Amino acid sequence: GEDVEQSLFLSVREGDSSVINCTYTDSSSTYLYWYKQEPGAGLQLLTYIFSNMDMKQDQRLTVLLNKKDKHLSLRIADTQTGDSAIYFCAESPNQGGKLIFGQGTELSVKP
Amino acid sequence: EAQVTQNPRYLITVTGKKLTVTCSQNMNHEYMSWYRQDPGLGLRQIYYSMNVEVTDKGDVPEGYKVSRKEKRNFPLILESPSPNQTSLYFCASSPGAGVQNEQFFGPGTRLTVL
Repeated sequence: GEDVEQSLFLSVREGDSSVINCTYTDSSSTYLYWYKQEPGAGLQLLTYIFSNMDMKQDQRLTVLLNKKDKHLSLRIADTQTGDSAIYFCAESPNQGGKLIFGQGTELSVKP
Repeated sequence: EAQVTQNPRYLITVTGKKLTVTCSQNMNHEYMSWYRQDPGLGLRQIYYSMNVEVTDKGDVPEGYKVSRKEKRNFPLILESPSPNQTSLYFCASSPGAGVQNEQFFGPGTRLTVL
């Protein structure tokens, strides 16, 4: 079945890099997404990667996709306190727009 | 401003008292969806709609109803709420059902059923 797994917590120091990992099960997913949820707010799309790509870079964000291992990661360079949030990995198993979300990783950035 | 709005943002109610959570988008999006967010479970889809008068069940539809009479509105109805429906609810919309379409989320509705 469809399943997306993430670790629940990550704590880093300001200025360090953060790496948030995700595994998924549906190999037919065409796109994989990273969403950010700030406290008391809805989800905002951070970035996405097409399944035939290995890497995508967007300013401080780097997404790596290992399709063989069904592993997705989000690296945030020079992490800032404003990056503190919950980060959700999601896959799109080509079922009419449905997104399957992971449990979310709460990133805590300490000064 | 392009946005998805939900009302109310917070609601405390009692078991069995019917309630409706409204969702509205001003982006002329065809696809709309409801999710619930629970600790340790991420977001799970309740219902979705590909267009006006077209709705379908998501992963956790039991105890919920929806309607899509107009393109902009997609209300979530709990006919007889129970405590296990205490959760954070999100409405989302996207231009179409294609997988590459970004979903825009509302701010969330925190529901407590006593």
